[in-house]
Amino acid sequence: AQKVTQAQTEISVVEKEDVTLDCVYETRDTTYYLFWYKQPPSGELVFLIRRNSFDEQNEISGRYSWNFQKSTSSFNFTITASQVVDSAVYFCALRETGFQKLVFGTGTRLLVSP
Amino acid sequence: DAGITQSPRHKVTETGTPVTLRCHQTENHRYMYWYRQDPGHGLRLIHYSYGVKDTDKGEVSDGYSVSRSKTEDFLLTLESATSSQTSVYFCAISDETPNTEAFFGQGTRLTVV
Repeated sequence: AQKVTQAQTEISVVEKEDVTLDCVYETRDTTYYLFWYKQPPSGELVFLIRRNSFDEQNEISGRYSWNFQKSTSSFNFTITASQVVDSAVYFCALRETGFQKLVFGTGTRLLVSP
Repeated sequence: DAGITQSPRHKVTETGTPVTLRCHQTENHRYMYWYRQDPGHGLRLIHYSYGVKDTDKGEVSDGYSVSRSKTEDFLLTLESATSSQTSVYFCAISDETPNTEAFFGQGTRLTVV
């Protein structure tokens, strides 16, 4: 069965610090898709990035970067030089092929203080 | 923004009463999902649909039923609401391409008293 684990419940940092959010997944599929979403205090869910299982290239978008490692079943998310606006709950998600059930982790709450 | 609307946005109901939440989309997407969000549990999948009249259970389906009689609407029903079903409910949609993201509704805050 597919499963996503985000072991970090809450992380507190001071502005300008770098922070990494961990995501570990389980799946029997050889083809699958991983996602990160952000939920700011206003409550909506905002898509950040997706990654295919056959594409292990890491990605950088501004202050955000993602490290996908199939060998450790991890898809970690790093924010460089964090800002107060980064304060949110971040969710990692996994979708298998077939019926495309989309499963989320429990989320990591990031608090960035000035 | 993806055309997805949840109704109602807020509801207070009494224990034992039936409740139906509606998710409506204008994107003609094949897949629709219902999640509940609770502190410490993240987003948990209740039910999902992979086509009209095609639905399956998620991890927390007990006490919930769903129906999808047309592409644009996915209904979540609590047959007899309990206090443990007090939660924020999110609907999501996605198209057939598995590597595309899901789009979420604004959520429905349900309180069972």
